[in-house]
Amino acid sequence: DQQVKQNSPSLSVQEGRISILNCDYTNSMFDYFLWYKKYPAEGPTFLISISSIKDKNEDGRFTVFLNKSAKHLSLHIVPSQPGDSAVYFCAATMDSNYQLIWGAGTKLIIKP
Amino acid sequence: GAVVSQHPSRVICKSGTSVKIECRSLDFQATTMFWYRQFPKKSLMLMATSNEGSKATYEQGVEKDKFLINHASLTLSTLTVTSAHPEDSSFYICSFLRDTQYFGPGTRLTVL
Repeated sequence: DQQVKQNSPSLSVQEGRISILNCDYTNSMFDYFLWYKKYPAEGPTFLISISSIKDKNEDGRFTVFLNKSAKHLSLHIVPSQPGDSAVYFCAATMDSNYQLIWGAGTKLIIKP
Repeated sequence: GAVVSQHPSRVICKSGTSVKIECRSLDFQATTMFWYRQFPKKSLMLMATSNEGSKATYEQGVEKDKFLINHASLTLSTLTVTSAHPEDSSFYICSFLRDTQYFGPGTRLTVL
């Protein structure tokens, strides 16, 4: 049973426009959500996170929105840059051991 | 800060041999660390959680006798793939837990 879902395997966005990556989850016990960026043959890099007590967190060009009632979160990147081309993973956690439950990832392609 | 290294970055071995992968945190100490495996175009799969000085906790379906984890110190953990088979070919990634998980660059294992 996939508890964290990223339904779009890939997304193509024009440079300078907004990229919106979506993530849905099924477990209402998740209380912390994270986005990671991953280049091929590299480990994931932490991007931004949000606690379940918030509905928005912003860091520079990156903003994460959380809609608990819909069990949905999204990552907005604006403006999109060529270096943003990577696979983006959504992850969730619910315990102090900090085990992450991962989505399948969305490959973001920024077109020049 | 929060740099994690993995060695080797790539390894090719013959079927039946054992391979050891090292994971080091270079500028911080952490009690808890994780080993992941990633198949092509798939999400990261948690293999095991390890606390320094304790036996690792393996996820369901992961053979503990095949994937030996030694968490020797607060900065070093090793994963040994014993009697490797071609189906063990994968991308193995470690992470150390501090305020968030910090990932190593990964190790590409190819078993011939």
